[in-house]
Amino acid sequence: AQSVTQLDSHVSVSEGTPVLLRCNYSSSYSPSLFWYVQHPNKGLQLLLKYTSAATLVKGINGFEAEFKKSETSFHLTKPSAHMSDAAEYFCVVRYTGTASKLTFGTGTRLQVTL
Amino acid sequence: ETGVTQTPRHLVMGMTNKKSLKCEQHLGHNAMYWYKQSAKKPLELMFVYNFKEQTENNSVPSRFSPECPNSSHLFLHLHTLQPEDSALYLCASSQKVDSQHEQFFGPGTRLTVL
Repeated sequence: AQSVTQLDSHVSVSEGTPVLLRCNYSSSYSPSLFWYVQHPNKGLQLLLKYTSAATLVKGINGFEAEFKKSETSFHLTKPSAHMSDAAEYFCVVRYTGTASKLTFGTGTRLQVTL
Repeated sequence: ETGVTQTPRHLVMGMTNKKSLKCEQHLGHNAMYWYKQSAKKPLELMFVYNFKEQTENNSVPSRFSPECPNSSHLFLHLHTLQPEDSALYLCASSQKVDSQHEQFFGPGTRLTVL
């Protein structure tokens, strides 16, 4: 079955330190991969997407993610966390042949402390 | 503002009530989606509409009835719901139903069924 796994349900970092949110997907030919962020009482906002171009993808707000086919991973990183980064982050996969169907991870809640 | 609006933002209803959720997108998109977001579970795709035609129904119970009168508006009619239907209902839209176009999400309607 097609699936995406976010390894941590909750991550806490101090402001100014690096952020790492992990995501693994079940192997498939040419998946499209996305990271979305959801702030409280807001809809999901696209941070970045990978669609078989460069394996290192840069997104908004200083976030980036690297597609590693050998590890079936698409981890989200940011060099320095800001208080405004506190939110829920979703790793999302769209598999070939399922144009409309996004498969969502269960989410990782990022907490940023002073 | 994401360009996708949803009303109401919060709704409390009894199991015998009939209510409707409304979604409107101001982005000129042709595809619209309903998702259900329950606590501790991944987002679940419910329905997909492409150029006003329903193209996907992911085994959603008939107590949820979608309607798409035009490409800019999407409704979800609710009747005889169950407490387990309490969730955040998210609407999304995209230019097309394919892997190249990102989905833009609304802020959601928080539904509580008593």
